[in-house]
Order: sequence, then C-alpha cells, then structure tokens
Amino acid sequence: DAGVTQSPTHLIKTRGQQVTLRCSPKSGHDTVSWYQQALGQGPQFIFQYYEEEERQRGNFPDRFSGHQFPNYSSELNVNALLLGDSALYLCASSSNIDRGKLFGAGTRLSVL
Amino acid sequence: AQKITQTQPGMFVQEKEAVTLDCTYDTSDPSYGLFWYKQPSSGEMIFLIYQGSYDQQNATEGRYSLNFQKARKSANLVISASQLGDSAMYFCAMREDFQGAQKLVFGQGTRLTINP
Repeated sequence: DAGVTQSPTHLIKTRGQQVTLRCSPKSGHDTVSWYQQALGQGPQFIFQYYEEEERQRGNFPDRFSGHQFPNYSSELNVNALLLGDSALYLCASSSNIDRGKLFGAGTRLSVL
Repeated sequence: AQKITQTQPGMFVQEKEAVTLDCTYDTSDPSYGLFWYKQPSSGEMIFLIYQGSYDQQNATEGRYSLNFQKARKSANLVISASQLGDSAMYFCAMREDFQGAQKLVFGQGTRLTINP
C-alpha cells in the first residue's frame, strides 16, 4: 500500500510564475494538509482540506490556494512566485481515527 | 496560540549510546497530542511516536520512548542504543484542534549526529 505520494519531487521556477504541486493521500485517508518548510526551519501549516473544502488556513497570503478532488487527492497552487517561496512543500494525510499524520516525501521548490 | 520549543540545535552522540532530545510546549487546551518526527536528508517526515495528553503511561515504540512530564510541559524523546541511521533532523510537534480541523505546530528541530 503506497503511502502519501507527492509530485513533482523537484521544481525550478522564476519569480512571477505560477506553480501547482500535487498530493495523493494514503488509501483510506480523507484529509489532506499542506505545510511549507523553509531551509533550517520547522514546517509551517498552510491549509487543510476535507470533503473538498478548505477547513482551516494558516498565516499564508491568498497567492496560496488549493483544491481537493472527490478521490481525496489535492493540489497546492502558488501564484506570483517570490524568492521567499523557495522551500520544501510537504503534504500530510490523515483520517479521523488516525493519530499520526502521514507525510509525503515533499516537493522541493526553487524560485530563481 | 500553541508553541513548541526545542532548545538543542544540534546533538552529537556516540553510536550505541542513549540520547534524549528536549521538547517543551505551551498550550491552554486540556486535550492535546504530541508527536515526534524524524526527517532524514531526503526530506520525508517520518512519524516516530505519539503521546496524548490524557494517556496514563509514557508512549514507547521500539527504541523510541517519550518522557512525558505534563506538569513541566515537556515531552522529551529518548532513543536507546543509537545507530548510525538515526542521524537526522528530529521535530517535536503538537496537534492543535480548531473547529473540527487539526493542524500540527512544529518546533525548530534538533539535528542529531551519531558518531561511529
């Protein structure tokens, strides 16, 4: 059984561009959360999706948006990329009875 | 707001020794959960151990145990008989519940290096 799958693994963009990151949760998990981890820092919560709706949002600007599909997979979109958006983006999936949120391997985004 | 503090930026330990990674937390919620994750250089966040605020006993998972001292608001991770493969970043995190949603609040992490 595959765990959480994220794509792509690495991405290079230039300032002002837009990017879409993808996440497939573990089978049986219905909740997807996205985190941003800057170099040398702990992950920061971006938002969480459940039943195709954004359930909670962290302190991130509207340039960060997301979507959850009926099969529970999710996308993270970032518009008007800034140099400061360079980070590792982690996706975590969980279910209501799951204590440990399961993380994917992340997408490493570099903005030049 | 909840807060996690990890005061050890780096730790160096000899192989086969036990190591304790410190974590203190701050919350006003009576119900909370504490997690420890391992992050190797590949980037994936690997779940190690979980402690619920109402759990009567300290959590254990193989070589990992959590020294939970509720009154002191500390949740230290103990790794027994360390191995070279334990070298990685370690993060303490707290589950924050809000209107049915749950998010994790992470500390800054501790880089653990196991020397042969």
